[in-house]
Amino acid sequence: GENVEQHPSTLSVQEGDSAVIKCTYSDSASNYFPWYKQELGKGPQLIIDIRSNVGEKKDQRIAVTLNKTAKHFSLHITETQPEDSAVYFCAASTNTGNQFYFGTGTSLTVIP
Amino acid sequence: DAGVIQSPRHEVTEMGQEVTLRCKPISGHDYLFWYRQTMMRGLELLIYFNNNVPIDDSGMPEDRFSAKMPNASFSTLKIQPSEPRDSAVYFCASSSRGSFHGYTFGSGTRLTVV
Repeated sequence: GENVEQHPSTLSVQEGDSAVIKCTYSDSASNYFPWYKQELGKGPQLIIDIRSNVGEKKDQRIAVTLNKTAKHFSLHITETQPEDSAVYFCAASTNTGNQFYFGTGTSLTVIP
Repeated sequence: DAGVIQSPRHEVTEMGQEVTLRCKPISGHDYLFWYRQTMMRGLELLIYFNNNVPIDDSGMPEDRFSAKMPNASFSTLKIQPSEPRDSAVYFCASSSRGSFHGYTFGSGTRLTVV
């Protein structure tokens, strides 16, 4: 089955700096890659996703890049703010709506 | 839409007792997933349903765990008997195959077995 690895497990940045979280996957058939943000005491919330026919997608301060050849994808957060502090999960799926394979999470702390 | 609704939000029970967690998926979603989250193991898929039918229950840890989905708007996850190692946050999520927006998670049930 699919194996998703995520790094780093913890990340601290100064407010205003950029944060990058990286994930790799093993199954070349995976074609959908969502990112989730989980705030304390809440369920994970989808923040951005990318499909295998796209190399990059951006939504305001958040961007995701995908390298299908190398089987890795990354989340980029620019101009970080304290409210970006949360745990971020990457995931991979071969069929939208079916089972997702999650990374182990990155705890991001933005220092004011 | 109210999103995925889980109840209760918190549950504290004694070892050996039966625990039932409940989930109401988003209307129109045809997939429902049960996940368990712990610090040690992260997010683990326990079971998922498609059109109320269990598709993959390979993640259910043992026979003490069972899940049902009697209709499109309701699912339960039952643990009987409960053990301290079952303490975790249990999430329900739903999705639609055609939505292209991944899962929508509920707020979770924090289970503590003492």
